[in-house]
Amino acid sequence: ETGVTQSPTHLIKTRGQQVTLRCSSQSGHNTVSWYQQALGQGPQFIFQYYREEENGRGNFPPRFSGLQFPNYSSELNVNALELDDSALYLCASAIGSGNTGELFFGEGSRLTVL
Amino acid sequence: AQTVTQSQPEMSVQEAETVTLSCTYDTSESDYYLFWYKQPPSRQMILVIRQEAYKQQNATENRFSVNFQKAAKSFSLKISDSQLGDAAMYFCAYLVGQGAQKLVFGQGTRLTINP
Repeated sequence: ETGVTQSPTHLIKTRGQQVTLRCSSQSGHNTVSWYQQALGQGPQFIFQYYREEENGRGNFPPRFSGLQFPNYSSELNVNALELDDSALYLCASAIGSGNTGELFFGEGSRLTVL
Repeated sequence: AQTVTQSQPEMSVQEAETVTLSCTYDTSESDYYLFWYKQPPSRQMILVIRQEAYKQQNATENRFSVNFQKAAKSFSLKISDSQLGDAAMYFCAYLVGQGAQKLVFGQGTRLTINP
């Protein structure tokens, strides 16, 4: 059984650019969530996808968007990058959209915006 | 809005001793779940322990146990027989019992284990 894997692990962008982060869910998991973790802070919920549909969103602007694919892998896209977007982006997968509460996290993608 | 507060940014404990991490939360929901997650320096968040709000019995997982005080909206984590591998950031988190699995995290407590 493979865990949640994310790529890239680190990347540097400049203000105004666009970035795509990728996540491969744990085997058998059909729900994926994305979180933003600023330095020294707890993670903040961006959105969740269940069976390729967004079914929950946090307080993030529309320039944060996502996709979930038929194989349940996922992408997080951020347009018009701002300095405050610098953070660790965490992907988490789970089985089903119900609240069993067991989320499995990847190691994250560290984004630096200059 | 639901909020989670961890009032101890840093804690330290001697190896083999016991430490308690504090967490309070605010919610108007009656159906919810509470968690403690551990984030070691390698960054992968790992579930330590989970508590369903409707259960009065405090959850226990080996050396980890919680003190869940529903009326006080308090959810502390006790680590017994602390080990060097317990060193990490610990996050308290809340999950409402309906809708998307939106975890609300606290700010975290950095736990150091002194040999």
